[in-house]
Amino acid sequence: DADVTQTPRNRITKTGKRIMLECSQTKGHDRMYWYRQDPGLGLQLIYYSFDVKDINKGEISDGYSVSRQAQAKFSLSLESAIPNQTALYFCATSDSGTVNNEQFFGPGTRLTVL
Amino acid sequence: SQKIEQNSEALNIQEGKTATLTCNYTNYSPAYLQWYRQDPGRGPVFLLLIRENEKEKRKERLKVTFDTTLKQSLFHITASQPADSATYLCALDMDNTDKLIFGTGTRLQVFP
Repeated sequence: DADVTQTPRNRITKTGKRIMLECSQTKGHDRMYWYRQDPGLGLQLIYYSFDVKDINKGEISDGYSVSRQAQAKFSLSLESAIPNQTALYFCATSDSGTVNNEQFFGPGTRLTVL
Repeated sequence: SQKIEQNSEALNIQEGKTATLTCNYTNYSPAYLQWYRQDPGRGPVFLLLIRENEKEKRKERLKVTFDTTLKQSLFHITASQPADSATYLCALDMDNTDKLIFGTGTRLQVFP
């Protein structure tokens, strides 16, 4: 089984709808992140959480919210989706105790807002 | 504002040659820099980390250099293979907080 899973993998929705993207990990990592990737813009950090009680805004948090339900689960919500939120969304995890501070990414969720 | 630049044009090289990718940054003093590989439709995969006090780091056919004076990192793949074809992303630690800022990536294509 994959260490970092994201659901759904693909989603098409309409403007104004509420959407939740979910991320689960079995790596036992304390840190989790949400990014979006747009062509030509690279990965942009939306929110991050360094432990269950810690939630922080990233570069582009407007229009998004998150919930860290447990150490292994971190969900991203779009309260009222708009077309410019169409993008590829990635969840990532990392372990604060490792030397390389590497982030492990999920497979991504492709979201289309019509 | 902070900025990370990677060559947006694809790099096309012949199998067996050395590929060199560039990552330049401004307005930063990162504690470390990382390189990731991303294949189409998949999440990035970590390759190497180099710290501010290190000049060079190697892993198998990969070599990374870090020049904090030039604010530049170079990523080399020696004896390149078609399987090395992918997009390569550099990422900088934001203010030693383990928050990463990613470059836009450079697509590498290795031809047989």
